Amino acid sequence: EADIYQTPRYLVIGTGKKITLECSQTMGHDKMYWYQQDPGMELHLIHYSYGVNSTEKGDLSSESTVSRIRTEHFPLTLESARPSHTSQYLCASRDGHTNTGELFFGEGSRLTVL
Amino acid sequence: GDSVTQMEGPVTLSEEAFLTINCTYTATGYPSLFWYVQYPGEGLQLLLKATKADDKGSNKGFEATYRKETTSFHLEKGSVQVSDSAVYFCALSEKGGGNKLTFGTGTQLKVEL
Repeated sequence: EADIYQTPRYLVIGTGKKITLECSQTMGHDKMYWYQQDPGMELHLIHYSYGVNSTEKGDLSSESTVSRIRTEHFPLTLESARPSHTSQYLCASRDGHTNTGELFFGEGSRLTVL
Repeated sequence: GDSVTQMEGPVTLSEEAFLTINCTYTATGYPSLFWYVQYPGEGLQLLLKATKADDKGSNKGFEATYRKETTSFHLEKGSVQVSDSAVYFCALSEKGGGNKLTFGTGTQLKVEL
């Protein structure tokens, strides 16, 4: 069983609010990722990190930002939420020292912006 | 660049029917291949994987064989159950620790009594 946790699981907020989605893993993984999953189920990589103080933008442009101050923690922040940000956000991690590429996922944070 | 193509859903089957979900890939090297499953309201879980040609991954009655000649990794199960209803994602990762996973668009499976 994967040890990666996301909070909150569900969040409903109004337009213009600042929100932070939390992601923590206890496996000591160096690589962490945020995916946005649209209602059609497709996954889009929006941010990733290869270690502490490393963050990169993913394949899909996003107005969110991330930080990686500690190995186990990879929060995602939206400074001013809009209805277009309504989506499911999935956090994942993997051990960068293996070649198999297996990702471990959290259960997701479903964000609704009114 | 790398890409994964999988059959569109939803796929609707009766319980105990045979399942095939097709997946083909394009990659520059020799990637590792994965099937992930997402049950309603949850994140993705690794279902099975194969790291080299002709490898067969298997788990929970599901199987997939890494076919380099046809660049395919089709998912099969001989007898599906209602509890198998979920979304299935095919994915690849190029060798090397720094590379990201490339996912297919997902195939929804619905199994009815």
